[in-house]
Amino acid sequence: DIQMTQSPSTLSASVGDRVTITCRASQSISSWLAWYQQKPGKAPKLLIYKASSLVSGVPSSFSGSGSGTEFTLTISSLQPDDFATYYCQQYYSNSPLTFGGGTKVEIK
Amino acid sequence: QVQLVQSGAGVKRPGASVKVSCKASGFTFTSFYMHWVRQAPGQGLEWMGWINPDTGGINYAEKFLGRVTLTRDTSMSTVYMELSGLTSDDTAVYHCARDRGMGSGLLDSWGQGTLVTVSS
Repeated sequence: DIQMTQSPSTLSASVGDRVTITCRASQSISSWLAWYQQKPGKAPKLLIYKASSLVSGVPSSFSGSGSGTEFTLTISSLQPDDFATYYCQQYYSNSPLTFGGGTKVEIK
Repeated sequence: QVQLVQSGAGVKRPGASVKVSCKASGFTFTSFYMHWVRQAPGQGLEWMGWINPDTGGINYAEKFLGRVTLTRDTSMSTVYMELSGLTSDDTAVYHCARDRGMGSGLLDSWGQGTLVTVSS
């Protein structure tokens, strides 16, 4: 199985901050990486696919980069609505699909 | 628009089984694989398996082999997840999610989740 490791697990930041979350895969997954946002009590929401492609309707303050085994999600200017937990997921192999452990972005 | 509406929360005794439904609308049901992902309280996301609603083909995570059964009813545009031999470790929110393609593994729409509590 492909292991996905996210860091940090928690991130404290203020509105307007630039925030970066890292995701590492245990083997190369090319660019088959997605990022999801999850708010408490809600389902995850797809933000970015193929490492850097933004889903329609997602603010341009979100961006993704990377390939192979190392990936980043960047929020260029944190907004109040962005405080949530973020998960990376590899879909290089669809059996099993695997997720990172999550990064909770909380208010500083 | 794409909608996935799941059945309601429930409490089950240890050793029992649970069956969760996920009704799809707003897209051609047989053109998209459907996945199940669960999330234990305060924990991360865990993939359970997928079903091809067109053929009924299935693929389960090794962890759940022998305990999980995914089925579908094309006339109702509904997929089902049944989990047997429940223990307290199975207490979680169970989500269905649509695959953006036929087995790509990219999950572009999610159901609202169904909380299953296993307790004696």
